[in-house]
Amino acid sequence: DGGITQSPKYLFRKEGQNVTLSCEQNLNHDAMYWYRQDPGQGLRLIYYSQIVNDFQKGDIAEGYSVSREKKESFPLTVTSAQKNPTAFYLCASSIGVGDQYFGPGTRLLVL
Amino acid sequence: LAKTTQPISMDSYEGQEVNITCSHNNIATNDYITWYQQFPSQGPRFIIQGYKTKVTNEVASLFIPADRKSSTLSLPRVSLSDTAVYYCLVGDGLYSSASKIIFGSGTRLSIRP
Repeated sequence: DGGITQSPKYLFRKEGQNVTLSCEQNLNHDAMYWYRQDPGQGLRLIYYSQIVNDFQKGDIAEGYSVSREKKESFPLTVTSAQKNPTAFYLCASSIGVGDQYFGPGTRLLVL
Repeated sequence: LAKTTQPISMDSYEGQEVNITCSHNNIATNDYITWYQQFPSQGPRFIIQGYKTKVTNEVASLFIPADRKSSTLSLPRVSLSDTAVYYCLVGDGLYSSASKIIFGSGTRLSIRP
């Protein structure tokens, strides 16, 4: 089955800790995205990668980092610099023309 | 920058047709219009996409006037399961800039029995 997966479903972060959210796709899509969604709010772009080894910052990239070493994988690290990381994180991929396929999301909570 | 504007919320009843309009005054020549549906604690799901005039698939229709400054998602005969948040996204192919990827706050649609 082709699709996009995110893990874990829930993640707990201690203060000062870096955590990494996984995103994998087997759709052979070039583009991948990370969004943050706060309760009752829309999606805000964190990072966007159009192709391997390339990525662009979105509106709220501060406190986050990404890598794109493989086409299939686009992990997001939430660093200790992100002071309010509690949110629902969504990864997506697309082959182009706006039709993004989303993963099931990771909910990050701070202990 | 093709920023979009949608109503915050809408209510309707089962069996009715629902139309949700999105304004995108600064749409560029190469931009497509895409609509997504999102249920709580899930990722958004692609519904429909269009460039101009009318597009129809098995779940919805998309109406785009000639000036393309707005678009209307039409859901025929809604059911309770259509209760969700609906987003419109405007952009071209593979986005040349991350600044073009703007989902907005979406429209919260509530369907009543």
